[in-house]
Parts: sequence; structure tokens; C-alpha cells
Amino acid sequence: NAGVTQTPKFQVLKTGQSMTLQCAQDMNHNSMYWYRQDPGMGLRLIYYSASEGTTDKGEVPNGYNVSRLNKREFSLRLESAAPSQTSVYFCASRTLTSGSSGANVLTFGAGSRLTVL
Amino acid sequence: AQKVTQAQTEISVVEKEDVTLDCVYETRDTTYYLFWYKQPPSGELVFLIRRNSFDEQNEISGRYSWNFQKSTSSFNFTITASQVVDSAVYFCALILYGGATNKLIFGTGTLLAVQP
Repeated sequence: NAGVTQTPKFQVLKTGQSMTLQCAQDMNHNSMYWYRQDPGMGLRLIYYSASEGTTDKGEVPNGYNVSRLNKREFSLRLESAAPSQTSVYFCASRTLTSGSSGANVLTFGAGSRLTVL
Repeated sequence: AQKVTQAQTEISVVEKEDVTLDCVYETRDTTYYLFWYKQPPSGELVFLIRRNSFDEQNEISGRYSWNFQKSTSSFNFTITASQVVDSAVYFCALILYGGATNKLIFGTGTLLAVQP
């Protein structure tokens, strides 16, 4: 079981370039999330998808767009990258299934380190 | 709104010392889950424990123990006889119970350095 897979692991962009971070989970989870991690700031929620077909803004959505392509995949797009978007990005997923020992536990991908010059 | 505070930004101990990581949370809801995650130097986020608001029993898992006190809105994490491999950033987090739109809110993390 791969869990949550993110690609790419590393990326360097120039200001103004665009890119998409891909995320896929194989645990049949309904909800998926994108967080960014910056020094001293913890993890901040960018966007999330409570279920297939829905997306909502989190704490820091500006400069990002997302697509919940299907139940497995949730991508994060930077249309015009800025140095302030230099960060480590984490995708996560969870199930709400009651009775499951893993219910409500977010499972995270390995992270994607993005540098914007 | 929910909030999680980890006031200790960095802690340094010598191997075999006990160490407690503090977590204080704020929520007006009565049903919620609390979590601890570990982020070792390799960068991945590792789930350690989930506790729901109805269960105030303390939990022990090997050298790890958790003290949940609703009266003080705290969910502290103690490592007994620390080891170098415990060096990591530890995050406390909170999510309201039920509802797919509920979001996991993280504290800012505590960096634990265990010196040999």
C-alpha cells in the first residue's frame, strides 16, 4: 500500500512560472488536503476537498488553485509562482468511517519542496 | 475558531532524560479529536496518537505517554528516557468531531533535540 503519493519531491521555479503538484491516495479516503509548512509557522491549510467533487479554501489559499480530479487525486496548482510560495507542501487524506481505527487520522505524503527564485 | 498552542519552540535534552512537550488547545465544541505527529529530520509526518474528547484516560505506549486534561485544555506528551532517535519536530493538532468539512488545525511544533 503506497498510502499518499506526491510528485514531484523537489522543484525549482522562477518567479511567474506555473506548476502543478500532484497527489494521489490509494486508501479510498473521501477527504484530501493540501498544507504548506514554513519555519516557525507549523502546517497551514491551503485548500481541502471534503469529498469528490467539492473543494474549499483553507487558511492560506491566495495564489493557489486545486482540482479534485477523482476520488484518488487532488492536485495543487500555482499559476504564477512567487518567492513567498517557497515552502514544503504536504498532501494528506483521511476517512471519516466510524469504527475504523484510522478514522479521522490524516495520512500525509512525503512532502514536496518548492523553491521559487 | 479552534487554536492549538505549543509554547515550547525548541527543547534540548541529554539522552536518557525525560522530557514533556506541552500542548494547549482552544475550542468551544465539546467533541473533538486531538493528535500528536512526529516529523523526523527526514521530513515525513508520522502519526503518533489520536485521542477523542470523551476519553480522558492517559495513555502509555512504550517510552511515550500522553496526559489529556480537559479542565486545562491540555494534551501533553512525555518521552521517558529519551533517545537520539527521538530528535524531531513534534506537532499537536485538533479536529472537530464529525463532518467532512472539519479541518485539522496544527500547533507550530516543538523541535526536540536529544544530545548523546
